[in-house]
Amino acid sequence: DVKVTQSSRYLVKRTGEKVFLECVQDMDHENMFWYRQDPGLGLRLIYFSYDVKMKEKGDIPEGYSVSREKKERFSLILESTSTNQTSMYLCATRPRVSGANEKLFFGSGTQLSVL
Amino acid sequence: SQQGEEDPQALSIQEGENATMNCSYKTSINNLQWYRQNSGRGLVHLILIRSNEREKHSGRLRVTLDTSKKSSSLLITASRAADTASYFCATPGVAGGTSYGKLTFGQGTILTVHP
Repeated sequence: DVKVTQSSRYLVKRTGEKVFLECVQDMDHENMFWYRQDPGLGLRLIYFSYDVKMKEKGDIPEGYSVSREKKERFSLILESTSTNQTSMYLCATRPRVSGANEKLFFGSGTQLSVL
Repeated sequence: SQQGEEDPQALSIQEGENATMNCSYKTSINNLQWYRQNSGRGLVHLILIRSNEREKHSGRLRVTLDTSKKSSSLLITASRAADTASYFCATPGVAGGTSYGKLTFGQGTILTVHP
């Protein structure tokens, strides 16, 4: 089974702090994604990566950056947190797509609260 | 913008009843996926239906796809209390488009099955 591990289940931070959210997968998947999930808004894509050192902006990249130095690890960075970044953050992975956009494998999520 | 939108937003039924959730989308797709999310956890892939399929079954799940109406439905038969969760449809970007490789999720249907 694919295992997608997010480093923290819950995080509480103060406004202005820097936050690293880490995601590690053990299935050699090329594609990795960061979503945030908010009540009434569903899941929104922040950034994704097709392969090592590659990154693409999603629908809401503002206030976030990412790093993919190794294939198995995709980090989401919040340089200076704000209260509107309080959310559930979900990491997902997928093997290289052959043209049919196959299914995603999700981690358990990190609930971030910014005070 | 949301590609897939689920209806209803919430559904409450008794154990043993069937649950039907609907999803509408806006652009052409080559497949549509359904995911399930238990409270506070990551999403789990349930089923994928391709654009050339009209119906697909997996255990107690039945998914239909009507590409002319740009809609899909998920039917859970003989529901159980353990089916209580949120259910999301997801659609991929089209090949060659700027959204290719991404999955866009709807806002989800919250299903509650009472014992």
